[in-house]
Amino acid sequence: AQSVTQLGSHVSVSEGALVLLRCNYSSSVPPYLFWYVQYPNQGLQLLLKYTSAATLVKGINGFEAEFKKSETSFHLTKPSAHMSDAAEYFCAVSDRGSQGNLIFGKGTKLSVKP
Amino acid sequence: EAQVTQNPRYLITVTGKKLTVTCSQNMNHEYMSWYRQDPGLGLRQIYYSMNVEVTDKGDVPEGYKVSRKEKRNFPLILESPSPNQTSLYFCASSPRQGVGTEAFFGQGTRLTVV
Repeated sequence: AQSVTQLGSHVSVSEGALVLLRCNYSSSVPPYLFWYVQYPNQGLQLLLKYTSAATLVKGINGFEAEFKKSETSFHLTKPSAHMSDAAEYFCAVSDRGSQGNLIFGKGTKLSVKP
Repeated sequence: EAQVTQNPRYLITVTGKKLTVTCSQNMNHEYMSWYRQDPGLGLRQIYYSMNVEVTDKGDVPEGYKVSRKEKRNFPLILESPSPNQTSLYFCASSPRQGVGTEAFFGQGTRLTVV
């Protein structure tokens, strides 16, 4: 069965530091992978998605993620954190096994210290 | 503006009192779904609908009902709410059900059952 594991329920970084949020997936077929962001009191917004066109995917707000099949990973990075990046981030997978339904990880809450 | 609209945003109710959370999208999307979000558990799918009059259970359907009489609306019904249904609920829509299709989310409904 498809699943997503996000390592670390809370990550704290200083403003200007590298942001690294980890996501590992399990899927028996080529997956499609997504990162969503949830700002306080808001719905989820798509940051970026991997659909097999390129392994390095650039998203909004300076975020990017790299698909590594050998490591079954899709980690999210941003070179320099801003205070406005404080939010909860969700990794999700879909493939034929899930009938296209999104399977979400448990989320990682990012805090940014001044 | 393209959007998914949920109402109400906040709701406090008593055990056993039937309630409906409405969801409407203006993007002519075929696919709609409901999720609940709980701390430490991420988002879990309750029900989904591939098109009008077509609905199916997600991962946690117990205690919920849905209907899809019109393409734009997908209400979530709790016939007899219980305290374990206290949660944050999200409605989402996609152009179609399919691998790699992005979901668009509503703002969420925070439900408390006392």
